[in-house]
Amino acid sequence: DSGVTQTPKHLITATGQRVTLRCSPRSGDLSVYWYQQSLDQGLQFLIHYYNGEERAKGNILERFSAQQFPDLHSELNLSSLELGDSALYFCASSEGRGGTDTQYFGPGTRLTVL
Amino acid sequence: AQSVSQHNHHVILSEAASLELGCNYSYGGTVNLFWYVQYPGQHLQLLLKYFSGDPLVKGIKGFEAEFIKSKFSFNLRKPSVQWSDTAEYFCAVILNTGFQKLVFGTGTRLLVSP
Repeated sequence: DSGVTQTPKHLITATGQRVTLRCSPRSGDLSVYWYQQSLDQGLQFLIHYYNGEERAKGNILERFSAQQFPDLHSELNLSSLELGDSALYFCASSEGRGGTDTQYFGPGTRLTVL
Repeated sequence: AQSVSQHNHHVILSEAASLELGCNYSYGGTVNLFWYVQYPGQHLQLLLKYFSGDPLVKGIKGFEAEFIKSKFSFNLRKPSVQWSDTAEYFCAVILNTGFQKLVFGTGTRLLVSP
């Protein structure tokens, strides 16, 4: 157990819908990262927040957005869902803001869009 | 564009065989290198990491990796694999060390037969 929690574990929804994925970092970690893992794209970095502020963006679609709240948990919002958004979404956390920190991954949320 | 290549997508070994998984990256600057493992149905776990110093890094569960700067490589090794090593292995690189944007390879699925 990495100490990073994600809810829900599984999510099944229809195209066009909107969902919210939640992540709670390890105690004391200030950074939260979101990744998407799909069969065709592999593991892709989406976005990084440090202490409530966005630090870096990766291959995140405009239909997707995220935020980190004062209690440091983070939510990833996916809207206007398409079949291709079906994937495993991982959250990771680390202690600092970058550089040499190790990222600890949560168990993931498996999203299925029908 | 910066990338991480893992040469073997699938590897099948018998127990007690030696393992070497290749990883190459294309980035000319300073890098931090990682190997993560994903056991079936579980989240990503850190096996080992290299930031600086001795290029031969020892990780958990008997794994080690060698950073060869001239070859842009960070190959993972284990002298004798066990059935419990069956998993998917990901090499990852942090680019732009000011931001923890992990770039992952495509992964190598290892199957160890008893």
